[in-house]
Amino acid sequence: KQEVTQIPAALSVPEGENLVLNCSFTDSAIYNLQWFRQDPGKGLTSLLLIQSSQREQTSGRLNASLDKSSGRSTLYIAASQPGDSATYLCAANSGNTPLVFGKGTRLSVIA
Amino acid sequence: GAVVSQHPSWVICKSGTSVKIECRSLDFQATTMFWYRQFPKQSLMLMATSNEGSKATYEQGVEKDKFLINHASLTLSTLTVTSAHPEDSSFYICSATTGFRYGYTFGSGTRLTVV
Repeated sequence: KQEVTQIPAALSVPEGENLVLNCSFTDSAIYNLQWFRQDPGKGLTSLLLIQSSQREQTSGRLNASLDKSSGRSTLYIAASQPGDSATYLCAANSGNTPLVFGKGTRLSVIA
Repeated sequence: GAVVSQHPSWVICKSGTSVKIECRSLDFQATTMFWYRQFPKQSLMLMATSNEGSKATYEQGVEKDKFLINHASLTLSTLTVTSAHPEDSSFYICSATTGFRYGYTFGSGTRLTVV
């Protein structure tokens, strides 16, 4: 059964810093790994989707990588802004199974 | 891009009443929809998986008679919380996909408060 772990649980950085969020998963036979953003009291916004045949995906200041052999994914945020403050969730699915979520990283970017 | 609409965004109901939450895929046909529950500062926990025209598959520990799921079409799934109690108060989020190999799109969530 897939298990997803995210570290750190919380992170506070000054504006402008580059930062990395980490995600690990136990079943390397994944179909997809997806990063989401969740603002307080809101639903999920998909940031990046990495399919099993891919190694990374980029969108603007965001870059997500996938290393199936080590069971890890990272989300890199460049030049962080206060508007990036949110909870970032990593989720993976393997086989015909739904997404399994990590507990998230709560990011605070201080102006 | 794919859009999932979820209504209502928030609801307050009295104990013992039932509440229905709708999840619609607006611009694609969702072969599978999922319902998640999220407690404050916790991650999303899958409640059930529903496929159009068939019975939902519930996760262990989720009461299927309490959380009724109907997936009547490829664009609509509903979750009905029956005989709601204060402990059912939570954030409920639906998700839809066209297949397990593809990405998942989430609704904006429903905040349920049972008083």
